[in-house]
Amino acid sequence: GNSVTQMEGPVTLSEEAFLTINCTYTATGYPSLFWYVQYPGEGLQLLLKATKADDKGSNKGFEATYRKETTSFHLEKGSVQVSDSAVYFCALDTGRRALTFGSGTRLQVQP
Amino acid sequence: DAGVIQSPRHEVTEMGQEVTLRCKPISGHDYLFWYRQTMMRGLELLIYFNNNVPIDDSGMPEDRFSAKMPNASFSTLKIQPSEPRDSAVYFCASSPQGAGQETQYFGPGTRLLVL
Repeated sequence: GNSVTQMEGPVTLSEEAFLTINCTYTATGYPSLFWYVQYPGEGLQLLLKATKADDKGSNKGFEATYRKETTSFHLEKGSVQVSDSAVYFCALDTGRRALTFGSGTRLQVQP
Repeated sequence: DAGVIQSPRHEVTEMGQEVTLRCKPISGHDYLFWYRQTMMRGLELLIYFNNNVPIDDSGMPEDRFSAKMPNASFSTLKIQPSEPRDSAVYFCASSPQGAGQETQYFGPGTRLLVL
């Protein structure tokens, strides 16, 4: 079946540090890949997505590249801010429209 | 657009009581999803609808859970009878039809506590 594995958190960084959150997946076919972000007390929001191999999704300084050879979609940001503190979810969709989510990674950015 | 609307935002009930959660998707969206989020199990898809028809309900935990979508602008998730292990945040999400339209838009969630 389909699955998504994320690095366990929390990830604690100082402001302006470089961020990487690892995500690998197992899926049949060629899924679309997503990163969603959840701020405290809120629902999930789409952060970025990629729909085919070698695509790079980007938004708000965050980037992730769809790597089919390593079945990965790692999230990166060059310089994090306190306002980036949230829970980040990697997810995939194999065309059924139903997302399979990873367990989430909590990011804490300290001033 | 107002986004996905869920009500109530918070619900506290006693074990054995019936609980009804409500969702209004974004106008024009053809897909509607119900998720449950807990610390232990993370985000789980419970059921989703396309054009008001349930497509996959394999995530519904047991017969105590039921979901309906009587029209394109309203869905309910009902738990009867409720149990303490049902305590969680329940999210509704919607997405439009069409290729490349997989993005799901989430509501703010209903935080349910069953005592």
